[in-house]
Amino acid sequence: DAKTTQPTSMDCAEGRAANLPCNHSTISGNEYVYWYRQIHSQGPQYIIHGLKNNETNEMASLIITEDRKSSTLILPHATLRDTAVYYCIVRGGVGGQNFVFGPGTRLSVLP
Amino acid sequence: EAQVTQNPRYLITVTGKKLTVTCSQNMNHEYMSWYRQDPGLGLRQIYYSMNVEVTDKGDVPEGYKVSRKEKRNFPLILESPSPNQTSLYFCASSFKGSGQPQHFGDGTRLSIL
Repeated sequence: DAKTTQPTSMDCAEGRAANLPCNHSTISGNEYVYWYRQIHSQGPQYIIHGLKNNETNEMASLIITEDRKSSTLILPHATLRDTAVYYCIVRGGVGGQNFVFGPGTRLSVLP
Repeated sequence: EAQVTQNPRYLITVTGKKLTVTCSQNMNHEYMSWYRQDPGLGLRQIYYSMNVEVTDKGDVPEGYKVSRKEKRNFPLILESPSPNQTSLYFCASSFKGSGQPQHFGDGTRLSIL
């Protein structure tokens, strides 16, 4: 599975959009991009995933570049409860289906 | 409500005393997995199961056992726990195939004295 690179930390003002980048330059054609977040020591929470098209759900939007080498998770109106560590994961098809969680980005939403 | 349920949520025990952490999911998922999370090391996969009676080792299987007798349950067994197994444990499940997100339980914090 391709490796990902994320900034260590980011701040965002409450009510503003939070844009979290992720680089995955070695992604292959059948690999999906997944985003999770972890609040304190709770279980990782699934946010969104995509293959090549942009995706949107009730939590966030995922923008994947045309060459698929990077993506951005967008939280449109960040709240204090969005403060968490956000993980970008790239993973392919069947097999061990191991999700490799790197260090992620620690997002702090500030009042 | 669709969920992955782990029990217990917290456990303090002593070295060598066998323990089992249960995991149950109600989403009819074929795939289930156990992870441990340690400071500075992220989440590491212990064991996984692609379906009933099918299990395989992950990255850090030493000292652990699992079984998958029913589709919904995937218990993690520590037959002789040691202090280096003190950690935060997560169970996850998903449908098989590509493009399937894993859903995680709330975690079990184990302390082995």
